[in-house]
Amino acid sequence: DIVMTQAPLTLSVTPGQPASISCKSSQSLLSGGGKTYLFWYLQRPGQSPQPLMYEVSSRVSGVPDRFSGSGSGTDFTLKISRVEAEDVGVYYCMQGSHVPLTFGGGTKVEIK
Amino acid sequence: EVQLVESGGGLVKPGGSLRLSCAASGFTFSDAWMSWVRQTPGKGLEWVGRVRSKTGGGTTDYAAPVKGRFTVSRDDSKNMLYLQMNSLRTEDTAIYYCASFYHSWGQGTLVTVSS
Repeated sequence: DIVMTQAPLTLSVTPGQPASISCKSSQSLLSGGGKTYLFWYLQRPGQSPQPLMYEVSSRVSGVPDRFSGSGSGTDFTLKISRVEAEDVGVYYCMQGSHVPLTFGGGTKVEIK
Repeated sequence: EVQLVESGGGLVKPGGSLRLSCAASGFTFSDAWMSWVRQTPGKGLEWVGRVRSKTGGGTTDYAAPVKGRFTVSRDDSKNMLYLQMNSLRTEDTAIYYCASFYHSWGQGTLVTVSS
């Protein structure tokens, strides 16, 4: 199974400051069809996870443009250009290129 | 608005069965590959299984811990996704979410397996 490793475990950020979360996979996520199925989700307190990014860098409809995704192969990053109070929660990366699909352990984002 | 609403969770004894349902709206359900994901405090998020769209072959994939016990199915005429869970074990206790990874996740339904 592909192991997804996220860092850091916890991120404490001042509102208005940037934040960055790393996600590394144990194997390349580039599929035979040329797509990389790397997703990002945000689980706010008391809620279910909701999609932020798909296929590395495409924002889901309605997600603010302060969120961006990048990376290739085995190394991926989610960046928030200016953190807002509503961004608190746990961020998960997930790979959909190989079965079984697997998730990172999560990064908790807190506001200072 | 995209909506996924699960139902059917509850308390069941080890060895028992349960069927979860998920009602989808707000997107073209028949084109979507749909998954079930479960979450426990100790093990985080765990993918359970998926069913491809009909145009994608309509086939299913499962995680090793549930293969042979759980079945994912869909009814595109009703925009419904199902998870049939048999031979349930205590370690299957979790919140179960249905998800279209490109659109949304449901709010989850709690399954508790206990004697």
